[in-house]
Amino acid sequence: DAKTTQPNSMESNEEEPVHLPCNHSTISGTDYIHWYRQLPSQGPEYVIHGLTSNVNNRMASLAIAEDRKSSTLILHRATLRDAAVYYCILFEIQGAQKLVFGQGTRLTINP
Amino acid sequence: DSGVTQTPKHLITATGQRVTLRCSPRSGDLSVYWYQQSLDQGLQFLIQYYNGEERAKGNILERFSAQQFPDLHSELNLSSLELGDSALYFCASGSGDGELFFGEGSRLTVL
Repeated sequence: DAKTTQPNSMESNEEEPVHLPCNHSTISGTDYIHWYRQLPSQGPEYVIHGLTSNVNNRMASLAIAEDRKSSTLILHRATLRDAAVYYCILFEIQGAQKLVFGQGTRLTINP
Repeated sequence: DSGVTQTPKHLITATGQRVTLRCSPRSGDLSVYWYQQSLDQGLQFLIQYYNGEERAKGNILERFSAQQFPDLHSELNLSSLELGDSALYFCASGSGDGELFFGEGSRLTVL
């Protein structure tokens, strides 16, 4: 399985932007970069995904490096409800299509 | 509400017993994924089905089995239960593009 590396934990303040990094140096050309988050006592929730270009949606932005070996999830204005574990996952659109979660980054938001 | 329904929400049983967890995917989704989440292991991918066929296998024990029925609902069967099987079991469904929708989970306690 293609692997990703994320910091174990990060901390930020409410109403400030948060940049969550992810390294995926062994990414293949057909792997999509997916981000999920898991709020306390809930199932994981899809956040965003991309292949090569930067992506924006109502929840976040995804910035993908030109060589695709790293990406950054950007929360533009963090709220207390954004406190969660964030997972960066490589998804093989061809082949098995299994979504394998790593350890993720535990994000703490300070009021 | 993700549209994915898991039953039961909570289950308490004894070692050596067998239980069945049920998952109804979102309307129209052909893929069903099963995950196990225990405190010390994070989210572990167990198995994936697509339109009734097994598509990918993860760290699923031989004591565990699953199937997806013609109406696309899925069941995860856990037998000869051990204390270490106590965990949250999540089901997720998707259409094949990597965007998964997770249920609220079934919490299994083995005493």
